[in-house]
Amino acid sequence: TQLLEQSPQFLSIQEGENLTVYCNSSSVFSSLQWYRQEPGEGPVLLVTVVTGGEVKKLKRLTFQFGDARKDSSLHITAAQPGDTGLYLCAGANYGQNFVFGPGTRLSVLP
Amino acid sequence: KAGVTQTPRYLIKTRGQQVTLSCSPISGHRSVSWYQQTPGQGLQFLFEYFSETQRNKGNFPGRFSGRQFSNSRSEMNVSTLELGDSALYLCASSLEGQGEEQFFGPGTRLTVL
Repeated sequence: TQLLEQSPQFLSIQEGENLTVYCNSSSVFSSLQWYRQEPGEGPVLLVTVVTGGEVKKLKRLTFQFGDARKDSSLHITAAQPGDTGLYLCAGANYGQNFVFGPGTRLSVLP
Repeated sequence: KAGVTQTPRYLIKTRGQQVTLSCSPISGHRSVSWYQQTPGQGLQFLFEYFSETQRNKGNFPGRFSGRQFSNSRSEMNVSTLELGDSALYLCASSLEGQGEEQFFGPGTRLTVL
């Protein structure tokens, strides 16, 4: 069974601070996605990474896929209250369905 | 292009009843997956439908079932509802499924009393 762990589970920071959240597994994935989910809504896809060592940037968000394709990180620079939400990572291998991590709940205080 | 839509958004049922939830995927997407999200268990995969056939199934009891129509719209049904079935039910669509990028609907919040 493929499992994904995310850390930290909860994170509360002040506006303007930087942060990094992690997604780890003992399994290799062919692709990994990051989502942000707000209360009462479905997850919104932020990025998909498919190549070991790949780095993708989305404005103030930087995503990295580990060289071995077992882990990933999400770094947010100068966090804003609008970044508040549940950040989920999900891994998949071709022909299989996604496995989701438990999420990191981020709160950015003004 | 319209996103994934789910109806109803909110539903209250009592134990023992049954419920049907609906999902309309993004136009052109043929794969629809269903997930259950609870605070304790997180997002758990229920099943995936592709071209009107169930292609994958998660570890849920037979009370949970689904189907997909020729226009790719999908429904899921839960029979003999239990209190523990209270959750946010999410559907996600993708072009071909099985590891491709998927896009979620807003979910249906089911409360079982």
